[in-house]
Amino acid sequence: GAVVSQHPSRVICKSGTSVKIECRSLDFQATTMFWYRQFPKQSLMLMATSNEGSKATYEQGVEKDKFLINHASLTLSTLTVTSAHPEDSSFYICSARAGTLYEQYFGPGTRLTVT
Amino acid sequence: GQQLNQSPQSMFIQEGEDVSMNCTSSSIFNTWLWYKQDPGEGPVLLIALYKAGELTSNGRLTAQFGITRKDSFLNISASIPSDVGIYFCAGQLFNDMRFGAGTRLTVKP
Repeated sequence: GAVVSQHPSRVICKSGTSVKIECRSLDFQATTMFWYRQFPKQSLMLMATSNEGSKATYEQGVEKDKFLINHASLTLSTLTVTSAHPEDSSFYICSARAGTLYEQYFGPGTRLTVT
Repeated sequence: GQQLNQSPQSMFIQEGEDVSMNCTSSSIFNTWLWYKQDPGEGPVLLIALYKAGELTSNGRLTAQFGITRKDSFLNISASIPSDVGIYFCAGQLFNDMRFGAGTRLTVKP
């Protein structure tokens, strides 16, 4: 099956610093990658959709200057949380898809804690 | 994206029992997906459905793509303790993918 990895799995940072999360599709080329945020005991909330080589499309209410997304290759997308605050603490999950007719495969998630 | 209507929200069952959960939507989809999420992990794809009326099995799991393309169900037969987790349905129409709120399954040994 398709494998998606995320790094790091856990990160603790101080308020005001920036954190980068990587998402990689290991055995397929992902034309589209998605970034989700999940609060405890809640469903997945889509933050943005990124296609390789183009700017990400952000969902309403998600600050694009705060959550920087780069999809530089068909196997790598990064999410940078800039000037992190405690309210940014959450579980961030990426997913990847080979094409519009294909299913999404999720990474294992990154637990971000901002102190 | 907007959430689908997934029910039930939670289930407490005895090991060996069968489980059924479903998702409905006011919109049609061309793909229905069922995922399972363990605590602290990302969702894992269980079953993908691509055609209205399609019935697909994966071991003890069976899922169906509703004939109206607006609903899907997932059945788990003879549940075991490792079935514990949160099950999410997802409907996909090209670039639009929506998730259910999840069904939290607890299996008592």
